[in-house]
Amino acid sequence: RKEVEQDPGPFNVPEGATVAFNCTYSNSASQSFFWYRQDCRKEPKLLMSVYSSGNEDGRFTAQLNRASQYISLLIRDSKLSDSATYLCVGNNFNKFYFGSGTKLNVKP
Amino acid sequence: DTEVTQTPKHLVMGMTNKKSLKCEQHMGHRAMYWYKQKAKKPPELMFVYSYEKLSINESVPSRFSPECPNSSLLNLHLHALQPEDSALYLCASSQEQGDLRGYTFGSGTRLTVV
Repeated sequence: RKEVEQDPGPFNVPEGATVAFNCTYSNSASQSFFWYRQDCRKEPKLLMSVYSSGNEDGRFTAQLNRASQYISLLIRDSKLSDSATYLCVGNNFNKFYFGSGTKLNVKP
Repeated sequence: DTEVTQTPKHLVMGMTNKKSLKCEQHMGHRAMYWYKQKAKKPPELMFVYSYEKLSINESVPSRFSPECPNSSLLNLHLHALQPEDSALYLCASSQEQGDLRGYTFGSGTRLTVV
C-alpha cells in the first residue's frame, strides 16, 4: 500500500467553482502534511501546510482528519491560474512521501 | 535568498559520459535532498543529506553518486546512465531533515540519456 494516495483526476471545473481534493495516508504516526502545487514541467511549490485545526490562506483551505487518516484541500472561486497538479505530501520517519498528484483543469 | 538553484537546467548525455548535477542554497538549511521525477509521476526520493552526511539512500543504483562538499552545496555525479534514467532531477532543502515547515525545491535539471 502506498504511503499517500490521492485521486489522479483530472478534475475539470468552470471558473468560479469550488473544488475539493482528498488524500489518504497509511501511517498513523505521520506527523506533518503538506499540499504542493506543480505546474507542467516545473518544480513543486509549497502551497500550504496542513494542521488538525485546519488552516486557510485566501481561497484555499486545508484540513487534517487524523481519525480517518485523510487530508483535504478546498479551493473556492477557482481561477484559470489554479490549473495545475496538486500533490499531497506526508512524512514518515523523516522522509517525505508524495502522492501521485491530482490534476485540476479550470475552464473559462 | 530563499531559493534553491540547480545547474544545468537541461542536460543531454551519452551512456558512456560522466556528468554532474549541482544544487546550491544559501538559506542555512542543514538538510538537502535529491528527487527523481518521471513524466506524470510524483517525485521519488533518492538521497538525503543531513548536516553534510548521507542520511538516506533509497537503494539508488551506484551509477548515481551524491556528494555534499559543504552545507550549501549538493552534487549528483552521473556515470554510465541508461536511457530509462532520463527524468527531471529535483534538489530540495529544508531547515532540518523532515522539517515540519516543508521543503523548498529547485527548478530541476531535465536529463536526457541517449
